[in-house]
Amino acid sequence: QKEVEQNSGPLSVPEGAIASLNCTYSDRGSQSFFWYRQYSGKSPELIMSIYSNGDKEDGRFTAQLNKASQYVSLLIRDSQPSDSATYLCAVNKISNFGNEKLTFGTGTRLTIIP
Amino acid sequence: DVKVTQSSRYLVKRTGEKVFLECVQDMDHENMFWYRQDPGLGLRLIYFSYDVKMKEKGDIPEGYSVSREKKERFSLILESASTNQTSMYLCASSLVNAPIYFGEGSWLTVV
Repeated sequence: QKEVEQNSGPLSVPEGAIASLNCTYSDRGSQSFFWYRQYSGKSPELIMSIYSNGDKEDGRFTAQLNKASQYVSLLIRDSQPSDSATYLCAVNKISNFGNEKLTFGTGTRLTIIP
Repeated sequence: DVKVTQSSRYLVKRTGEKVFLECVQDMDHENMFWYRQDPGLGLRLIYFSYDVKMKEKGDIPEGYSVSREKKERFSLILESASTNQTSMYLCASSLVNAPIYFGEGSWLTVV
């Protein structure tokens, strides 16, 4: 089982609709969860972080976390063509030496159709 | 704003060459990371450092080494470059238990 799993897509969503991106993780001890957006040829940029169960909203973005199900999701409302990108889920993990590191999923490619 | 700078954006090296990739951050972050990103494989952690002169292996450390002599600078070293190390390399930094912030990436081609 992969440590962080995402549906690779591509996911196509009409402009103005809600895009839903999902991620599952294997380490029950993980405490911090992040969503990054990556445009083609660019480096990932942080768009959301979530640390406790429930929803966290920031503008058109909502992150949802369910630790019991080991599931984190990202909703993008009123999708715009500029949202077309690859979205990476990242989960923190404590190494064998007690240090924190982030493990990434392989990403979901999202295309917003005008 | 967090600034993570990777000085070499595009490099072409020959097989067997020693390659240095440099990364500097200006936010006094404790943690620094080196990832590589390949199509279909996502971001994979090579090495990370949680303090000056301290380092820990990530998921794919073979063929790489790192150096962190100062808090703001984290270097990735390919002792003897091979074609399977052709990739995009991403440096990142963070505070403890906080999001990581990436540099712009270094595209390395080994021929």
